[in-house]
Amino acid sequence: QKEVEQDPGPLSVPEGAIVSLNCTYSNSAFQYFMWYRQYSRKGPELLMYTYSSGNKEDGRFTAQVDKSSKYISLFIRDSQPSDSATYLCAMSGGRDDKIIFGKGTRLHILP
Amino acid sequence: DTGVSQDPRHKITKRGQNVTFRCDPISEHNRLYWYRQTLGQGPEFLTYFQNEAQLEKSRLLSDRFSAERPKGSFSTLEIQRTEQGDSAMYLCASSEVVSGNTIYFGEGSWLTVV
Repeated sequence: QKEVEQDPGPLSVPEGAIVSLNCTYSNSAFQYFMWYRQYSRKGPELLMYTYSSGNKEDGRFTAQVDKSSKYISLFIRDSQPSDSATYLCAMSGGRDDKIIFGKGTRLHILP
Repeated sequence: DTGVSQDPRHKITKRGQNVTFRCDPISEHNRLYWYRQTLGQGPEFLTYFQNEAQLEKSRLLSDRFSAERPKGSFSTLEIQRTEQGDSAMYLCASSEVVSGNTIYFGEGSWLTVV
C-alpha cells in the first residue's frame, strides 16, 4: 500500500460547480498537509497548508483534514475554467521531514 | 522575479551522456530540495540540503546521480551515463528552516534521453 493514495481522474465538472478532491494516507505520523496545483509542464504551486485536523479556508478553496480517518479533502467553490489543472496532495510527519506527494488528480472545468 | 529558478528548462541528450541541471533558490531560503516527476505521477523526493550540507538522499538517487550546493546558494544535479529511464522532469524547491515543509517549486527541468 502506498503511503498516499489519490485518484488520478480525470475529473470533469461544469463551470460554477463545487469540486471535491481527496486523498487517503496510511502513515498516522503525518501532521502537515498541503495541496498543490500544477498546470501542464509547469512546477507545482502551493495552494493550501494545514496542520493536524480541521478546516482551512482561503477564498474559493477549503482544505479539510480528518486524521481519525486518514483522509484529506480540497473543495473548490464556483469553479472556473482556469482551475483546470492537476491537484497534488502532499504531507509530512514533521517540519523537517521530507514531503510525500500523491499522484495528482487531473481536473477539467467545462465552460 | 524572486522565485526558484531552474536551468535549462529542457534538455535532450543521448543515452550515455552526462547532464547537469542548476537551481537557484529563493534568496532567503536555506533549504533546497530536488524532486523527480514522471508523467502521471507526483513528485518523488531525491535529496535535500540545508545550507551546503546534504542532509538526506533517497535510495532513488543511484550512484550515477550527484547533487551539490557548494556555497549554500545555488545547487547542481548531475546525472552521469544517462539512461532512458532517467527521462523525467527534475524539480527544485526551496524553503526557510522556520517554515520547514512549506516548499516552493521552480518550473522544472525536462530531461529526455534518446
